[in-house]
Amino acid sequence: EDKVVQSPLSLVVHEGDTVTLNCSYEVTNFRSLLWYKQEKKAPTFLFMLTSSGIEKKSGRLSSILDKKELFSILNITATQTGDSAIYLCAVYNNNDMRFGAGTRLTVKP
Amino acid sequence: NAGVTQTPKFRVLKTGQSMTLLCAQDMNHEYMYWYRQDPGMGLRLIHYSVGEGTTAKGEVPDGYNVSRLKKQNFLLGLESAAPSQTSVYFCASSYGSAAEAFFGQGTRLTVV
Repeated sequence: EDKVVQSPLSLVVHEGDTVTLNCSYEVTNFRSLLWYKQEKKAPTFLFMLTSSGIEKKSGRLSSILDKKELFSILNITATQTGDSAIYLCAVYNNNDMRFGAGTRLTVKP
Repeated sequence: NAGVTQTPKFRVLKTGQSMTLLCAQDMNHEYMYWYRQDPGMGLRLIHYSVGEGTTAKGEVPDGYNVSRLKKQNFLLGLESAAPSQTSVYFCASSYGSAAEAFFGQGTRLTVV
């Protein structure tokens, strides 16, 4: 059965810290891996990764995929209180998209 | 741009009642999904559809039915609601399996 596992489940840091969120997966017919940020309501898209070793970057956020070891990481540098959210990892196979349990990040002033 | 619209946004049901949640997208997406989100459990896939007239079961399909009679609409039905179905329900759509999925704003359902 397809599986997506995120770690840690919860993380508390202070402003300015750098964090690394992990996502490992076991999926048949892998197509892509996506990261989402969820604050109060609907998840919002951050990155989609399909190829190993190619870093995607947006401001202080970056992500990379390792298709050999079946994992991805999401890095956030110089964290701000506005980064507090649940970060969700999702993996597509040929048809459906499965999510991990999410990492709840809290950034304290 | 409406994107993905879910109705209703909130609902309280009594155990045993039935209801239908509607998801509508105006982006001509082929793929549509229904998820439920419970505390600490991320999003769990209920049912999905890869095109008009097709549906398939996800991880947690029991107690739910779906229909995709029109490409733009994906309906989720609860025939006999149970307290275990209290949750936040999200609909999403995408062009395919290597494309960003867009989410509706969610439906908070409480079954008492």
